[in-house]
Amino acid sequence: QSVLTQPPSVSAAPGQKVTISCSGSSSNIGNNYVSWYRQLPGTAPKLLIYDNNKRPSGIPDRFSGSKSGTSATLAITGLQTGDEADYYCGTWDSSLSAGWVFGGGTKLTVL
Amino acid sequence: EVQLVESGGGFVKPGGSLRLSCAGSGFTFSDAWMSWVRQAPGKGLEWVGRIKSQTNSGTTDYAAPVKGRFTISRDDAKNMLYLQMNSLQIEDTALYYCTTRYRIGVDVWGQGTMVTVSS
Repeated sequence: QSVLTQPPSVSAAPGQKVTISCSGSSSNIGNNYVSWYRQLPGTAPKLLIYDNNKRPSGIPDRFSGSKSGTSATLAITGLQTGDEADYYCGTWDSSLSAGWVFGGGTKLTVL
Repeated sequence: EVQLVESGGGFVKPGGSLRLSCAGSGFTFSDAWMSWVRQAPGKGLEWVGRIKSQTNSGTTDYAAPVKGRFTISRDDAKNMLYLQMNSLQIEDTALYYCTTRYRIGVDVWGQGTMVTVSS
């Protein structure tokens, strides 16, 4: 059971837009920056979004992040078949057992 | 080229110990806060712990499932990160990654090293 809640799967057609939600609490998302990662099969995770909505160099503007209260959202527009991957949100949790926490991951299928 | 390379994984019996290593290059290792993240087969990412830079006291933080059993350390002279794992349990079976955000908005991850705990 992950501290951050993501939908197990989402799907959309090529060219469409998809959003992935990440729900937490005041001890994590509510008071800390959120990052998003993409993991292609058999590879290490790659940073897509940091500080809620900032894109690292080289990440196309098809990827965007937002945060409101204790939830965060990753949006991907202009879906491509190469976007099929697992997506994870992550943030620091400032509760008694402080540490970095990840969502359970969302499998994106491009139909 | 910025790179992290893990090593030291393998098979171990429950209750056993293993030490993982992670070699960093291409960035100022001594300034970086380093973390270990693991991924059990077919499962999601799980943060294991981190060690701050020595200029930030070099303190460590651990996830609850490994606290008291795992120890993270670093040797900045060698650009090396370590994860000493004791009292290993079957649930510790996973691919272990070392990672760091060595600059704002720039993460680097290793390729991972597999640890299998089985009798």
